Amino acid sequence: DAKTTQPNSMESNEEEPVHLPCNHSTISGTDYIHWYRQLPSQGPEYVIHGLTSNVNNRMASLAIAEDRKSSTLILHRATLRDAAVYYCILRRNNNDMRFGAGTRLTVKP
Amino acid sequence: EPEVTQTPSHQVTQMGQEVILRCVPISNHLYFYWYRQILGQKVEFLVSFYNNEISEKSEIFDDQFSVERPDGSNFTLKIRSTKLEDSAMYFCASTLRERYEQYFGPGTRLTVT
Repeated sequence: DAKTTQPNSMESNEEEPVHLPCNHSTISGTDYIHWYRQLPSQGPEYVIHGLTSNVNNRMASLAIAEDRKSSTLILHRATLRDAAVYYCILRRNNNDMRFGAGTRLTVKP
Repeated sequence: EPEVTQTPSHQVTQMGQEVILRCVPISNHLYFYWYRQILGQKVEFLVSFYNNEISEKSEIFDDQFSVERPDGSNFTLKIRSTKLEDSAMYFCASTLRERYEQYFGPGTRLTVT
């Protein structure tokens, strides 16, 4: 599976936008980019996914670089509840998901 | 909103004992998964299950592990003879279609003493 690289941790202030980067320079044409998050003491939670075009949903936006070698998860207004570990995962034909270490987001009031 | 449920929330067992972790996936989902997360470490894939058989498994999922869908609603993970290193959070997940978003349960914390 193609590998992703994310910063270990990021901080944000409440009510401000957060941009969480992910590098995936070895991505292939059929890899979907998925984002999950894990709130403290909970199971992972789906956030968003995309292939080539930018995507928006009620939780977040996903901006995908034109060459697809990187992507950015955007939380438009961070709340304290958004403090979590965010995982960027590439999915190809396999059905399983391989989690990395993710980015631990801290939101300061 | 439908959700994946898991029981028990916490299971304590002695080394060498058998444990069964239970999951009720979302009712119309067709693909089922088990993951585990050792404290402080990353989430690790164990096994995926579709059409009453294992479709993929990781190197962690050895002969000590088995999965079953005994009826139309439950999905179980059995560990035959637990070891100390099996202590972890075990998450069940389900999805409607292959490679679609997976919905995770709250997890079962397994403690092996």
